Order: sequence, then structure tokens, then C-alpha cells
Amino acid sequence: GAVVSQHPSWVICKSGTSVKIECRSLDFQATTMFWYRQFPKQSLMLMATSNEGSKATYEQGVEKDKFLINHASLTLSTLTVTSAHPEDSSFYICSAGVGGSYEQYFGPGTRLTVT
Amino acid sequence: RKEVEQDPGPFNVPEGATVAFNCTYSNSASQSFFWYRQDCRKEPKLLMSVYSSGNEDGRFTAQLNRASQYISLLIRDSKLSDSATYLCVVNPGGGSNYQLIWGAGTKLIIKP
Repeated sequence: GAVVSQHPSWVICKSGTSVKIECRSLDFQATTMFWYRQFPKQSLMLMATSNEGSKATYEQGVEKDKFLINHASLTLSTLTVTSAHPEDSSFYICSAGVGGSYEQYFGPGTRLTVT
Repeated sequence: RKEVEQDPGPFNVPEGATVAFNCTYSNSASQSFFWYRQDCRKEPKLLMSVYSSGNEDGRFTAQLNRASQYISLLIRDSKLSDSATYLCVVNPGGGSNYQLIWGAGTKLIIKP
């Protein structure tokens, strides 16, 4: 149980285009979903926290107009990287939290390369 | 000072050896503690939660020292498959039930 999927698993796009990443909880309803970014040899950095049906809460330094998060249902959250630039190239990972628990279940990640 | 600090390693250890990692955290009010394992280019996977009384799961033992604000992970009889980066994770509490603070990880390399 507690499986989270992400799609796509990797994507290469040109600078200036937008990329949408989907995060789905397959066998449970996720009260909260999290979006992380990880650069090579660095720790996971939380970008934003989203609760179903409400606006995402962004961490300091993360541009909400550049990283659009939609959490329309208890099983789906999307992250759209708008006007991507090469410095946005990173490993993006989502996780889902279950109500009343500190534990988070991670998706397999999406590797984004912007050329 | 980082909120969660770990020795980045890498730790090069022969197969069968025992290895221990430490992690320190800055927020004394932190409520929950975890060790995650992350393989190269993969997502983190929960290895074990860390309880105040210490806990063991097979070859893995986790301990918490609240007074000194550190967490440890001990791996006995290490296997080649234990090679990975081990991430120390802390939940700071204070109403942010889900927020996790991640250490940068300690890289472990088990050699045959």
C-alpha cells in the first residue's frame, strides 16, 4: 500500500517552454502533498506544500508564479514549471502525507533537463 | 548552523563490517525523527523511524539522544546492497505536522 506515482519520470525540454509533472497517490487519499527539488549531491529541498482544494504554501525563495501547483483532488497534484531555464534542471520529487501521520510516501521522482 | 547536520562521507566500509552514522539537529522541540535511504537517482525510502527508547530492525539500530540532540544509525554485518546515501530527517513539530527537515545525507560505500 501507500504507492505514489509520478509522471513523467524524465523529461528534456527547451528553454522557455513549460513542463507539467503529475503526482498521484494510487491506493490512498493524500491529505497533503509536497514538492521537493534535489540538485546533484545536495539534500532534498522542500518547494511547497499543498492541501487538496486550497492554494499551495511555498517555501521562502520559491517563485509561486514560476512553479504552479494544483491539487485538485485527494489523489492528484501537479507541478508546472513555467518558462523553464537550464538552472531549473533538477530532480523533482513529490510525496504524499496521510492524515494524522508524520510519514510521507514518495514518488519515484522526475528528472528535468532544460536545454 | 544547519537545522540537521550529517557527515557527508563517503564512508568506505568492507562488507561485513559495522558502521555508524550520527546526525545532529538544532531544534530542541523537534518531535519525530527518521532515517531514510536514497539510492543514486532514486527517491528516498523510509528506512526506520527513531523512537526515544531506541529501536532495532534486523541489522539496523536507531537511537535518539534528546539531551545532546543527536540521532544515530548503526548497521551491523553490512552488505553490498547497503551502499546508498542515508538521510537523517527531523519533524520540527510546532504545528507543522507534516514538515520534514532533511539532512544532506551520508554516503555509504560497502566494498567486497
